[in-house]
Amino acid sequence: AQSVTQLGSHVSVSEGALVLLRCNYSSSVPPYLFWYVQYPNQGLQLLLKYTTGATLVKGINGFEAEFKKSETSFHLTKPSAHMSDAAEYFCAVRGSGYALNFGKGTSLLVTP
Amino acid sequence: EAGVTQFPSHSVIEKGQTVTLRCDPISGHDNLYWYRRVMGKEIKFLLHFVKESKQDESGMPNNRFLAERTGGTYSTLKVQPAELEDSGVYFCASSQRQGNTEAFFGQGTRLTVV
Repeated sequence: AQSVTQLGSHVSVSEGALVLLRCNYSSSVPPYLFWYVQYPNQGLQLLLKYTTGATLVKGINGFEAEFKKSETSFHLTKPSAHMSDAAEYFCAVRGSGYALNFGKGTSLLVTP
Repeated sequence: EAGVTQFPSHSVIEKGQTVTLRCDPISGHDNLYWYRRVMGKEIKFLLHFVKESKQDESGMPNNRFLAERTGGTYSTLKVQPAELEDSGVYFCASSQRQGNTEAFFGQGTRLTVV
């Protein structure tokens, strides 16, 4: 079975600081990995995804993630946090069939 | 292009009542998914339609939940009778075709059972 674990339910960073949200996966097959973001009162929006190919994946709003098979990780980063990045972030792996298995989510707080 | 639309955005019902949630996927999307997030827990898969057929309903919690997608367009998820533990946010997502890995999500319906 495929699953993900997000370390840290809440992360706080200063505006302009590096954002690092951690995600580790477990998968018996080559994984398809995703990061979604949920802004207040909105639905889930895809930030980026890894399927095959280049292990460094760039997404929207300056976010990127690196697939590291040896570490079973897919951490999300952004060099400089902006106030508008405050949201809840979800890591997910595609399970059997086409359904997504999500982590518990990480709430990102950006302070001035 | 309209995104995935869910109705209602919020619903508060009493235990034992019936509630029907609706999802309108993006036009032309054959795949439709229902997910649920109970407070404090992860988003969990409920079921997957391909057009009007149920492809996978392994995540449905019990037989109080009934999902339909007549005509392969919009979908409804009925909870009858509702229990307190059914409270949570119900998300719908759609994607264009089998193998397409990106699913587009709606805003969710927040269901509160009191």
